[in-house]
Amino acid sequence: ETGVTQTPRHLVMGMTNKKSLKCEQHLGHNAMYWYKQSAKKPLELMFVYSLEERVENNSVPSRFSPECPNSSHLFLHLHTLQPEDSALYLCASSHSGSPYVEQYFGPGTRLTVT
Amino acid sequence: SQQGEEDPQALSIQEGENATMNCSYKTSINNLQWYRQNSGRGLVHLILIRSNEREKHSGRLRVTLDTSKKSSSLLITASRAADTASYFCATDSGNTGKLIFGQGTTLQVKP
Repeated sequence: ETGVTQTPRHLVMGMTNKKSLKCEQHLGHNAMYWYKQSAKKPLELMFVYSLEERVENNSVPSRFSPECPNSSHLFLHLHTLQPEDSALYLCASSHSGSPYVEQYFGPGTRLTVT
Repeated sequence: SQQGEEDPQALSIQEGENATMNCSYKTSINNLQWYRQNSGRGLVHLILIRSNEREKHSGRLRVTLDTSKKSSSLLITASRAADTASYFCATDSGNTGKLIFGQGTTLQVKP
């Protein structure tokens, strides 16, 4: 978990709120990822950014909007969420361009939508 | 789509015993990775095995890969209470770094 930080660690929001999750990596990586982890479901890849360009968007609803202003920072903007969006949101980073890459994860943001 | 499936879903053992977890996948892969997750925390990378490798060791961890059966196993020897966590396999099918995770095995090691 070291090297990738996420804020906030816990977030409770209503369905009409707008909030943002922040991720920062201090590892010199150039690829960043957002995952959603719900109870009893596999980790779901949401978005992938490589060299600050979005290269993967896994059919995620538009109420989730990612932003990657530079290779060290990644945001997930949330608006008009649904209760089923409650989950642990994990950010990860890695080197891109190598065929054998491991990902480094942050501690996650536990999101509860009321 | 789900790629890796771990077996068993849950495992409970005594400290000192060995723990074996299995992972099956569906499509050809570039490499397979194992991660550990302590309750409600982020994932920690344990080991990566390439598609042309059959076995790899790291400390008390031993990973095998059988590409003909599309399966992998993770063995933790001489388990400790601190090994209590969920363990996930993840497959990388290309050079994108995109990983597909399984549902995980929850391991409990009783002191």
